[in-house]
Amino acid sequence: DAGVIQSPRHEVTEMGQEVTLRCKPISGHNSLFWYRQTMMRGLELLIYFNNNVPIDDSGMPEDRFSAKMPNASFSTLKIQPSEPRDSAVYFCASSSQTSGRGNEQFFGPGTRLTVL
Amino acid sequence: AQSVTQLGSHVSVSEGALVLLRCNYSSSVPPYLFWYVQYPNQGLQLLLKYTSAATLVKGINGFEAEFKKSETSFHLTKPSAHMSDAAEYFCAVSDVTNAGKSTFGDGTTLTVKP
Repeated sequence: DAGVIQSPRHEVTEMGQEVTLRCKPISGHNSLFWYRQTMMRGLELLIYFNNNVPIDDSGMPEDRFSAKMPNASFSTLKIQPSEPRDSAVYFCASSSQTSGRGNEQFFGPGTRLTVL
Repeated sequence: AQSVTQLGSHVSVSEGALVLLRCNYSSSVPPYLFWYVQYPNQGLQLLLKYTSAATLVKGINGFEAEFKKSETSFHLTKPSAHMSDAAEYFCAVSDVTNAGKSTFGDGTTLTVKP
């Protein structure tokens, strides 16, 4: 398996532009997580899905952020409009809920977003 | 509610010395516990996990951790540090009730001195 795939790996954009980050989870996994990591705030959970349904979006910083999971193999995180303070590394992770197995998360390589 | 506390945001050891990274957790139900490692410019990857089987868990790269329920701890150890162990380490707690969501600690950066 190729693991969790994220695209793009790097994104540089100007303030006010729309940014879309993409994630393909591991096949067969039924939970998907979006995280943001910065030096100041560390690793933050933004939103997670189970069976394509958003379960908890309380970590989404504001209405400029939105996430979708139209099917089991694809998710997007959109920022519109982007601001310099959104600059961070965004990780997608997926997991499989199997009773007794511990449901560890598998992380993608991340998207490094820079908003100028 | 679950929480994780990692004691010490930075730990420095000499090559060949014992590595000890501390993690304490809080959980109202039997927990799953994890240690992840993050190398520079990479995502987190699993080192080891506890899922209510053996309390001493062995992971990759010579790391191990012991689940101590009475102390609510899950400290990570390695007998002899290697330069390649320099990374950030995250402890995390989960359980069967929350769709695989994990609560992560703030991370501990391990520096290995030659």
